[in-house]
Amino acid sequence: NAGVTQTPKFRVLKTGQSMTLLCAQDMNHEYMYWYRQDPGMGLRLIHYSVGEGTTAKGEVPDGYNVSRLKKQNFLLGLESAAPSQTSVYFCASRRVGGTPSYEQYFGPGTRLTVT
Amino acid sequence: AQSVAQPEDQVNVAEGNPLTVKCTYSVSGNPYLFWYVQYPNRGLQFLLKYITGDNLVKGSYGFEAEFNKSQTSFHLKKPSALVSDSALYFCAVRVNSSASKIIFGSGTRLSIRP
Repeated sequence: NAGVTQTPKFRVLKTGQSMTLLCAQDMNHEYMYWYRQDPGMGLRLIHYSVGEGTTAKGEVPDGYNVSRLKKQNFLLGLESAAPSQTSVYFCASRRVGGTPSYEQYFGPGTRLTVT
Repeated sequence: AQSVAQPEDQVNVAEGNPLTVKCTYSVSGNPYLFWYVQYPNRGLQFLLKYITGDNLVKGSYGFEAEFNKSQTSFHLKKPSALVSDSALYFCAVRVNSSASKIIFGSGTRLSIRP
């Protein structure tokens, strides 16, 4: 049981390049989330998904797109990277209902630098 | 707007002393509150939560948190700090208008000196 995994762990992009971050979970969780972590700002929610084929905007969605074609995967895309998107990105998932409830499981993070 | 605040960027405590990490919240309706811990170069780990019931909630690693409705606070506590407790701690709250959304505070760095 790997939990939540993220690919890649590190990436350096030039301004204007595109990339996709992959999050995978093997816990059959319904909800999945993408956050970014910046010094002094904690975690901010980018996008989230309540089920396969559905996505919704979080607090800071601009410049990002997401897709959830399979229940176990949640992709975060940057179409045209900007230096302001330099951050550490975390994926999380959680189950709906049952026990434990509301507890989010986090991946190890992806450190992205945009030059 | 619904929000959660951690007023201290850093808390320094001597090993063996009690520790408190503060959190206040602003939500409509009944709050669902959480604490997470982050060790260096790792993802966040769940510590404890308050949804309903007793105001004192016990969690992992000997931590507990006290829900205070009148002060809209959910402070994290431990009776006797360990050096290994040194980490970044996040308070979080469920956004009641959207049961699936959880927002986090800015984090408090806890440093325990030997």
